[in-house]
Amino acid sequence: GESVGLHLPTLSVQEGDNSIINCAYSNSASDYFIWYKQESGKGPQFIIDIRSNMDKRQGQRVTVLLNKTVKHLSLQIAATQPGDSAVYFCAENRNSGYSTLTFGKGTMLLVSP
Amino acid sequence: NAGVTQTPKFQVLKTGQSMTLQCAQDMNHEYMSWYRQDPGMGLRLIHYSVGAGITDQGEVPNGYNVSRSTTEDFPLRLLSAAPSQTSVYFCASSQNRVEKLFFGSGTQLSVL
Repeated sequence: GESVGLHLPTLSVQEGDNSIINCAYSNSASDYFIWYKQESGKGPQFIIDIRSNMDKRQGQRVTVLLNKTVKHLSLQIAATQPGDSAVYFCAENRNSGYSTLTFGKGTMLLVSP
Repeated sequence: NAGVTQTPKFQVLKTGQSMTLQCAQDMNHEYMSWYRQDPGMGLRLIHYSVGAGITDQGEVPNGYNVSRSTTEDFPLRLLSAAPSQTSVYFCASSQNRVEKLFFGSGTQLSVL
């Protein structure tokens, strides 16, 4: 979920588990969504994206689900690995020009061996 | 292929000083943007450009200027640095507007 204040919500899982990171977006007119992974000291790295005319999209070990009815986005990571430990951000495009992204505050994923 | 290159990686300024954060991409991307990242605030858009000669403001543009004279470069200027501009700054580019934005490694700026 989204953070409140300075503390990121944290999801702790064991290696090999499946992880689900959630994101609530604010604008019902948003039509493009994207997930990023950010490791400590690095820039955000693209994971997967989805348009509003879809409700599911799969990548390698990752799946994004979109529920427009409740304005909810989730990222599922299969067989989570220690290398998946990072902060995960969702972002939405709110304007028709596809010129700006609005980011959520992030969720920290901690994977224990 | 270097991708998005930001310089410097670290910078310390005194209040009132000016400086330019450099951003260059070698992917021939039309779209470039600048974000700042503060603890608990996520990434916030400062300015963006959809092509050479075109720039526009994002969510937090005050205190920053940009220009886009070439496709490759998109510098961010702080004319008179303030402590509130202490942050990590990221430059990003993409081929098709905000789809699959590709980020640089960031510049950590401290204003004393």
